[in-house]
Amino acid sequence: KAGVTQTPRYLIKTRGQQVTLSCSPISGHRSVSWYQQTPGQGLQFLFEYFSETQRNKGNFPGRFSGRQFSNSRSEMNVSTLELGDSALYLCASSRGVNTEAFFGQGTRLTVV
Amino acid sequence: GQQVMQIPQYQHVQEGEDFTTYCNSSTTLSNIQWYKQRPGGHPVFLIQLVKSGEVKKQKRLTFQFGEAKKNSSLHITATQTTDVGTYFCAGPWSGRNTGFQKLVFGTGTRLLVSP
Repeated sequence: KAGVTQTPRYLIKTRGQQVTLSCSPISGHRSVSWYQQTPGQGLQFLFEYFSETQRNKGNFPGRFSGRQFSNSRSEMNVSTLELGDSALYLCASSRGVNTEAFFGQGTRLTVV
Repeated sequence: GQQVMQIPQYQHVQEGEDFTTYCNSSTTLSNIQWYKQRPGGHPVFLIQLVKSGEVKKQKRLTFQFGEAKKNSSLHITATQTTDVGTYFCAGPWSGRNTGFQKLVFGTGTRLLVSP
């Protein structure tokens, strides 16, 4: 079966711009979680969606937002980009938090 | 808040040596998962432990879940260059004010293996 697909793979944006990242989960998975990965901070939880509802949100500013569509595809948006937002953004889908999470390849965002 | 610490942060071994990473949670976990991330790749699920004191093996990898379900370890016997990567533990934590759990990852241990 197809894995988790994230698009785009790479992005370069300038400070102040906004960006939208997309994640298509594995078919049948209703839970989609987003993580930010930076070299010094590991995998930081951003938010989790289940059946179009945000169930959890990490400690990130309001510039970070997301949504999930009825087909379980999810998007995350970052507005007013800052240099510190440069990171690998990973999406993971699963049947639930107590089951195996499948990660996409990630989107590498560089803010200049 | 929830904290999941892993030690060591980094370890460099010679091929054939053993390696162990430890995962410690500030709270009791219902289960713990382990993931491996190769350089330039994404985390890939290795295993899930559920029971107190559980031990599971996958070839040269041995996973343990502590009796109190607050810590876990991953031991690799006779490392190979293919073991290179970062190993993360992860566990479900209750979200603040939501009642729903989220999967929180440990800080990770980066393993480098020299031939």
